[in-house]
Amino acid sequence: DADVTQTPRNRITKTGKRIMLECSQTKGHDRMYWYRQDPGLGLRLIYYSFDVKDINKGEISDGYSVSRQAQAKFSLSLESAIPNQTALYFCATSVPGRPRDEQFFGPGTRLTVL
Amino acid sequence: QKEVEQNSGPLSVPEGAIASLNCTYSDRGSQSFFWYRQYSGKSPELIMFIYSNGDKEDGRFTAQLNKASQYVSLLIRDSQPSDSATYLCAGVRNNDMRFGAGTRLTVKP
Repeated sequence: DADVTQTPRNRITKTGKRIMLECSQTKGHDRMYWYRQDPGLGLRLIYYSFDVKDINKGEISDGYSVSRQAQAKFSLSLESAIPNQTALYFCATSVPGRPRDEQFFGPGTRLTVL
Repeated sequence: QKEVEQNSGPLSVPEGAIASLNCTYSDRGSQSFFWYRQYSGKSPELIMFIYSNGDKEDGRFTAQLNKASQYVSLLIRDSQPSDSATYLCAGVRNNDMRFGAGTRLTVKP
C-alpha cells in the first residue's frame, strides 16, 4: 500500500465551486505539504504544516486554505475554484533530518477547473 | 527571477553517455539541495541530496555543489533509456523548499 495517498486522483469542476483535496499518510511523519505543479513552473509550495496545530503559508497560498485534521491527514480546499487553478497537485510528507527534510510525495491529483 | 533556475531542455544524450544537469540558485541562505526524478504523470522521487561543497557519489549519480558560484549539478554516468525523465532541482532554507522548473532528459538507445 502507498505510504502517501491522495483523493481524488482526478477531478473536473466548474468555476466557483468549492473543492477539497485530501491527503493521508501512514509514514508517521509530522510534516506535511501541499504543492501545485504547472508546466514550465515546476513545483510551488501552497501550504505546509509541521504538526497538527501548525499551519504555514507557502509561496502561493492565495485562493487556497488547508486543514490538518490529524497527524495523518492534511486537506487542501479551493473555496471558489477558478480556471488558473487547473494544475497537478501533490501532497508530501517529511521528517526532519532524514535526510535533511527529504520529502515523500503522493501520487498527485489532477484538477481541471472549467 | 525564480530562486532556483534550471535549463528546461530537452537534453538528449545517447545511451551509455554522461548526462549533465545543471541548476543555479539565488538564495545564498539555502542550506541543502535535492535532485528529484519525475517520470511523466508520476510523482517526484528523490535521487540525491547534497549540503556540503564538493562532490557526492551514489552509484551512477554524482551531485556537485559549489556554494560560492551558487551552482548545483547532477551527473548521470552510463545513461540508460530508463533515466529518461524530468529532473527537478530543489534548495531548502529554513524548511522552505523551492523547486526549479525541471530539465527534461531523453536517453536515446
